Amino acid sequence: QTVVTQEPSFSVSPGGTVTLTCGLNSGSVSTSYYPSWYQQTPGQAPRTLIYSTNTRSSGVPDRFSGSILGNKAALTITGAQADDESDYYCVLYMGSGIWVFGGGTKLTVL
Amino acid sequence: QVQLVESGGGVAQPGGSLRLSCAASGFTFSNSGMHWVRQAPGKGLEWVAFTRYDGNNKYYADSVKGRFTISRDNSKNTLYLQMNSLRPEDTAVYYCAKGGGQLELTNWGQGTLVTVSS
Repeated sequence: QTVVTQEPSFSVSPGGTVTLTCGLNSGSVSTSYYPSWYQQTPGQAPRTLIYSTNTRSSGVPDRFSGSILGNKAALTITGAQADDESDYYCVLYMGSGIWVFGGGTKLTVL
Repeated sequence: QVQLVESGGGVAQPGGSLRLSCAASGFTFSNSGMHWVRQAPGKGLEWVAFTRYDGNNKYYADSVKGRFTISRDNSKNTLYLQMNSLRPEDTAVYYCAKGGGQLELTNWGQGTLVTVSS
């Protein structure tokens, strides 16, 4: 069974930089999985941040960036702000019309 | 602007059925693949199902295969999720989302809550 892995939680200081990752329980994440990233605050619908590894969705500040780091997809927030405190989810396209979400990372800014 | 509005959530008994709808506007619905994604209370997002733009190809997560059916009516700009043989673990907020050209989920509705309980 395919499991997409994310750090359960992370903390960053205001103004700091944090990198969240998205991996696979077996194998490496590559651009062929079209990794995308979503931000969700409590009680709200998800918001699309990054797609196709590193393309920012419309209106997303450039302090959010996506990449492949080693064998994982990565979301980097540079100059973290208080309102970046959210849950972050990655999703990978597994082929054959199937997507799998990671378990999400709860980011705290303090 | 893109708008997606889900409806049809509510309380169902285990083994029961519900049909969710997602009314779409602000884009050419008949050109877009569409997803259902759910989120159990206090849990993460789970991809549920996808239909291509013409409704001819449909894909499901293993957890719902054989019980849920995704469909669409392009003349009404509406996406559906027929949920049968409901289980308590199907309790969740169900979101519809527009599929993008790079296999992303581009826009999301606000969700509709489904509770399966006796």
